[in-house]
Amino acid sequence: GNSVTQMEGPVTLSEEAFLTINCTYTATGYPSLFWYVQYPGEGLQLLLKATKADDKGSNKGFEATYRKETTSFHLEKGSVQVSDSAVYFCALSRYSGTYKYIFGTGTRLKVLA
Amino acid sequence: DVKVTQSSRYLVKRTGEKVFLECVQDMDHENMFWYRQDPGLGLRLIYFSYDVKMKEKGDIPEGYSVSREKKERFSLILESASTNQTSMYLCASSPRTSGRTQETQYFGPGTRLLVL
Repeated sequence: GNSVTQMEGPVTLSEEAFLTINCTYTATGYPSLFWYVQYPGEGLQLLLKATKADDKGSNKGFEATYRKETTSFHLEKGSVQVSDSAVYFCALSRYSGTYKYIFGTGTRLKVLA
Repeated sequence: DVKVTQSSRYLVKRTGEKVFLECVQDMDHENMFWYRQDPGLGLRLIYFSYDVKMKEKGDIPEGYSVSREKKERFSLILESASTNQTSMYLCASSPRTSGRTQETQYFGPGTRLLVL
């Protein structure tokens, strides 16, 4: 079946450090892949997405590349800020009448000043 | 901007009560979804709807029902609340453009439900 596995948190970094949050997936077919972010007290917001192999999604300094050979979609940012503190969810979409998501468990990121 | 609103941010109910969670979106989206979010489990799909009066079960529908009488509104109903339904509930919507469902979903702020 389809599933998403992401690294457990919390991840604690100092400001300006490099960030990687790992995400791997299993899926039949060729799903689209997403990263969503949830800031404290808010709902989820789309951060970036990639719809096919080798696509790179990017937004707000974050990047992730759809790697079919390693079934991965790792999230990276070169220099994190305190304002990036949030929970990050990796997800894939599957089509069954409409698009539905399968989410990872979420990774909490804390960035210290 | 797409706006998805949920009727309450926090709700406290007693075991056995009937609970209604309301979700409204203002972008004329065809598809609407209810998820619950639990630590260590991520988000799990409860029900979704792809049109007025249409609904389909998600991955964890037991103990829940839904209603979609108008396009903009999707209600989640807990017929008889139980303590294991204490959770964060998130509503989402997505459009159908040129007859094709779009993949990106837009989420509301969530309702944190405590069942005592």
